[in-house]
Amino acid sequence: KAGVTQTPRYLIKTRGQQVTLSCSPISGHRSVSWYQQTPGQGLQFLFEYFSETQRNKGNFPGRFSGRQFSNSRSEMNVSTLELGDSALYLCASSYIAGGDGELFFGEGSRLTVL
Amino acid sequence: GQQLNQSPQSMFIQEGEDVSMNCTSSSIFNTWLWYKQDPGEGPVLLIALYKAGELTSNGRLTAQFGITRKDSFLNISASIPSDVGIYFCAGPRSGSARQLTFGSGTQLTVLP
Repeated sequence: KAGVTQTPRYLIKTRGQQVTLSCSPISGHRSVSWYQQTPGQGLQFLFEYFSETQRNKGNFPGRFSGRQFSNSRSEMNVSTLELGDSALYLCASSYIAGGDGELFFGEGSRLTVL
Repeated sequence: GQQLNQSPQSMFIQEGEDVSMNCTSSSIFNTWLWYKQDPGEGPVLLIALYKAGELTSNGRLTAQFGITRKDSFLNISASIPSDVGIYFCAGPRSGSARQLTFGSGTQLTVLP
């Protein structure tokens, strides 16, 4: 079956702009989580969505937001971009019934902020 | 908060050698996970450990869940070129199975 699909794969923005990233989970998976990966901070949890509701949120400013649609697809948005937002943004899906922590990651969206 | 200390940070080994890396925490984890990330890809789950003392294998990979629940290690036997990548330990934050705390990663290079 198809894996987690993230779009776009690469994008370049300038400071102050906003960006929206998209994630389509594995078919049947209802939980979508987002992570930020940077060389300095590593992999850090942003938020998790299940049934269109945010279940958990990491320690990121309010400029980072997300949402989930009824078909489980998810988007995350970063407003007023800063240079430090340059990162690989990873989406992960899981079938919430059992399988603690077994996340299936997409290939990521690499954001560069100039 | 929960933090995972992973070591070593990088390893350069000869093809055929065995590899060992570990992860420690000041907090107890009820699940330990090991992921591998190839360049340009997202992390892929290698092994999941759910019980203290558990030893689990996946091909040439073996991982153990420490008795104290504060550590785990991953061994790779007879390394091959495709083992190259970054290996991460991870554990779910208490009360949230899908909110993972990741270690800083071990970059593995296999020399021919």
